[in-house]
Amino acid sequence: ETGVTQTPRHLVMGMTNKKSLKCEQHLGHNAMYWYKQSAKKPLELMFVYNFKEQTENNSVPSRFSPECPNSSHLFLHLHTLQPEDSALYLCASSQETAGTYNEQYFGPGTRLTVT
Amino acid sequence: ELKVEQNPLFLSMQEGKNYTIYCNYSTTSDRLYWYRQDPGKSLESLFVLLSNGAVKQEGRLMASLDTKARLSTLHITAAVHDLSATYFCAVVFVGGSNYKLTFGKGTLLTVNP
Repeated sequence: ETGVTQTPRHLVMGMTNKKSLKCEQHLGHNAMYWYKQSAKKPLELMFVYNFKEQTENNSVPSRFSPECPNSSHLFLHLHTLQPEDSALYLCASSQETAGTYNEQYFGPGTRLTVT
Repeated sequence: ELKVEQNPLFLSMQEGKNYTIYCNYSTTSDRLYWYRQDPGKSLESLFVLLSNGAVKQEGRLMASLDTKARLSTLHITAAVHDLSATYFCAVVFVGGSNYKLTFGKGTLLTVNP
């Protein structure tokens, strides 16, 4: 596989469920990102990891919990979500978070529906 | 407040016609990206613009950057149906130790036969 992959591609969960989204990058990058894409709103940056360390939490509610065990993998753990959390969740990676090499490459996204 | 504004948000055009999408941003930046997103698909990087006066062209698309005016344009020449997609501009702002990418709302382009 190449590029940035995400699983699952579609997820329907109830408000009391716990689920996780997975992202994997095969580009040798050191930085990974979670974005939320809702209808009629711009992409919103949620979290940034650089060399496995979280460097940005954009005021995301605690019901979203990221995990980055290594530079190639990024998870988003979900629990007690609300219907307004339904959105497309995009993962991205870049060689680093600053400087010339921060062009981000995006995965295909996970379409999340909270019922 | 960091703002990136695109217009129009919706664009329906005939094949063969020309049109321009505009991207304004609120704060000094040293780079700007244009992305394309097809329905149900990921974002595909089209252009990276790094300096004032930068112009890049790929096929029927041409992007330019005016850092003094804080404006980028994406010009479509002789549109074809395959160009139908949502186009996003994204501007890099320095925030803390990171270069944060802030996106516009996107322009949904529909090219009609």
